[in-house]
Amino acid sequence: AQSVTQLGSHVSVSEGALVLLRCNYSSSVPPYLFWYVQYPNQGLQLLLKYTSAATLVKGINGFEAEFKKSETSFHLTKPSAHMSDAAEYFCAVSVRGGYNKLIFGAGTRLAVHP
Amino acid sequence: NAGVTQTPKFQVLKTGQSMTLQCAQDMNHEYMSWYRQDPGMGLRLIHYSVGAGITDQGEVPNGYNVSRSTTEDFPLRLLSAAPSQTSVYFCASSYSPGVYEQYFGPGTRLTVT
Repeated sequence: AQSVTQLGSHVSVSEGALVLLRCNYSSSVPPYLFWYVQYPNQGLQLLLKYTSAATLVKGINGFEAEFKKSETSFHLTKPSAHMSDAAEYFCAVSVRGGYNKLIFGAGTRLAVHP
Repeated sequence: NAGVTQTPKFQVLKTGQSMTLQCAQDMNHEYMSWYRQDPGMGLRLIHYSVGAGITDQGEVPNGYNVSRSTTEDFPLRLLSAAPSQTSVYFCASSYSPGVYEQYFGPGTRLTVT
């Protein structure tokens, strides 16, 4: 069965500091991997996705993630945090050949302070 | 293009009441899903549909019913609300399974007292 683990339910960084949000997955078949962001009182929107074309994936708002099969990880990074990055971030795995069932991690709430 | 719309935005129910959460999309997506979001648990799949007339259960289907009579609409019915169903509910749609992103609605915040 597929699963996603996000390490750290809350992460706090200073404005301008590196953002690193961790995601590890479990899947018996090659997965599709996603990062979604949820701003307060809104739905989720896609940040980026891995579909096997390239292991380093660039997304919106300066975020990127690297797929590491040996570590079963898909960590999200941004070189320099901005106040507007404060949100909740969800990592998700989708099984190839399945009916687009997304399995979500528990989420990481990112706080950015001046 | 409105994307995915959900109504109502907020709802308070008493235990035992029934209601329907509405979801509609105008992107001609075949795949639609319902999730619930609870603190510390991420989003969990309730039911999903791969096309009009075809639905299936997700991780947490108990207490919920769905049907899909048109491509556009995918309502979620609570037959007899319970306090454990207090949650934020999200509807999502997608062009195709797997690699394509899901588009989420703004959510319905439901409280059952």
